[in-house]
Amino acid sequence: ETGVTQSPTHLIKTRGQQVTLRCSSQSGHNTVSWYQQALGQGPQFIFQYYREEENGRGNFPPRFSGLQFPNYSSELNVNALELDDSALYLCASSSPGTGGYEQYFGPGTRLTVT
Amino acid sequence: AQSVSQHNHHVILSEAASLELGCNYSYGGTVNLFWYVQYPGQHLQLLLKYFSGDPLVKGIKGFEAEFIKSKFSFNLRKPSVQWSDTAEYFCAVNPSFDSSASKIIFGSGTRLSIRP
Repeated sequence: ETGVTQSPTHLIKTRGQQVTLRCSSQSGHNTVSWYQQALGQGPQFIFQYYREEENGRGNFPPRFSGLQFPNYSSELNVNALELDDSALYLCASSSPGTGGYEQYFGPGTRLTVT
Repeated sequence: AQSVSQHNHHVILSEAASLELGCNYSYGGTVNLFWYVQYPGQHLQLLLKYFSGDPLVKGIKGFEAEFIKSKFSFNLRKPSVQWSDTAEYFCAVNPSFDSSASKIIFGSGTRLSIRP
């Protein structure tokens, strides 16, 4: 069984640029959630996708957007990057059998905005 | 504000000592509860979970947690820690009454350092 994978591992961007992060969910999982983990903090929920539709959103501005594809992989897009967007971005997938509550996390993408 | 609180930011123990990490949440409805662990250089892993039933739940690697509804708490325990337990531990809550998404709300984490 393949776990959750994310790409790229690290990324450096300049303020004002746009970035796309990618996530492949664990086999059999149709729900993908994205989290932002700032240094020294716990992960914060950005949004969740279920069957290619956004299924809930945390307290993040509209410049954070996402997509889910028919194979359940997902993208997180961030426009107009700000310095505070520097963080570890985590993707988690979950199984329909547990109602999406038990989530399995990928290794994350470390984004640095300069 | 609705939140998850982990009061200990950094805990240092010697091997074989007993461990208890505190976690309190402020959601008033039905919740699902989790402890996640992040070992150095590794991704977040589920340690244990509580959905319903017996409030004392057992997880991997000898960890257990007790859900006390009246105290809004879900403390993590281990009778005897090992050096390999050195990691960051996160308490997390899924407010299951919020049907719009199965989001998980995390605490800020407790760093556990074990002296060999």
